[in-house]
Amino acid sequence: QVKLMQSGAEVKEPGASVKVSCKLSGHSFTDNYFHWVRQAPGQGLEWMGVVTPIGGFGTYAHSFQGRVTMTTDTSTSTVYLGLSGLTSDDTGIYYCARVVADGGPYHMDVWGEGTTVTVSS
Amino acid sequence: DIQMTQSPTSLSASIGDRVTITCRASEAIRTYLNWYQQKSGKPPNLLIYAASTLQSGVPSRFSGSGSGAEFTLTISSLQPEDFATYFCQQSYKTMSFGPGTRVDI
Repeated sequence: QVKLMQSGAEVKEPGASVKVSCKLSGHSFTDNYFHWVRQAPGQGLEWMGVVTPIGGFGTYAHSFQGRVTMTTDTSTSTVYLGLSGLTSDDTGIYYCARVVADGGPYHMDVWGEGTTVTVSS
Repeated sequence: DIQMTQSPTSLSASIGDRVTITCRASEAIRTYLNWYQQKSGKPPNLLIYAASTLQSGVPSRFSGSGSGAEFTLTISSLQPEDFATYFCQQSYKTMSFGPGTRVDI
């Protein structure tokens, strides 16, 4: 069974940075792309970006460019989301999701349980 | 960037009702359209991909149709476990989600 296990909740002060991890099990790490999706409290889903498993090449949504970094560690089948310059608007649940790299059409068929990030002074 | 809209924003329905949700893209996306269901406190769950392909394990009362810029998700006979929020998503150019449609009693 394919699973994505995310790291635990974080509480950060404004201006700080956060790093969230997401570990894949049950499938070859290199056969997927990994996406990050944010959900603010009571709001919809916001696509943040995608990272390739080999080389860690990231494509980021315009609204996060300059503040976001997505990386991978193939030795542990783990992907990371880094977000800097946190404000209260960054409070929310951050989900990782995988897309099978089979040429498409791409869809997110496995999701992590989410990591809650709270930004507060 | 491709913008996605959904209608209605919310709807009230009864068990056994036929429910239809519409999703529109700001430009043509062929059939690169996915539908997700999200229940409170849970991650989204893939229902349909490529506009009309039912994800494995999803009940057949869910169906999707459309191409180009207009798509629909239909629930043929609403069940108690279907009360949730539904999101469309395009995967034609990077990815983006619609704002969601809440289905409640």
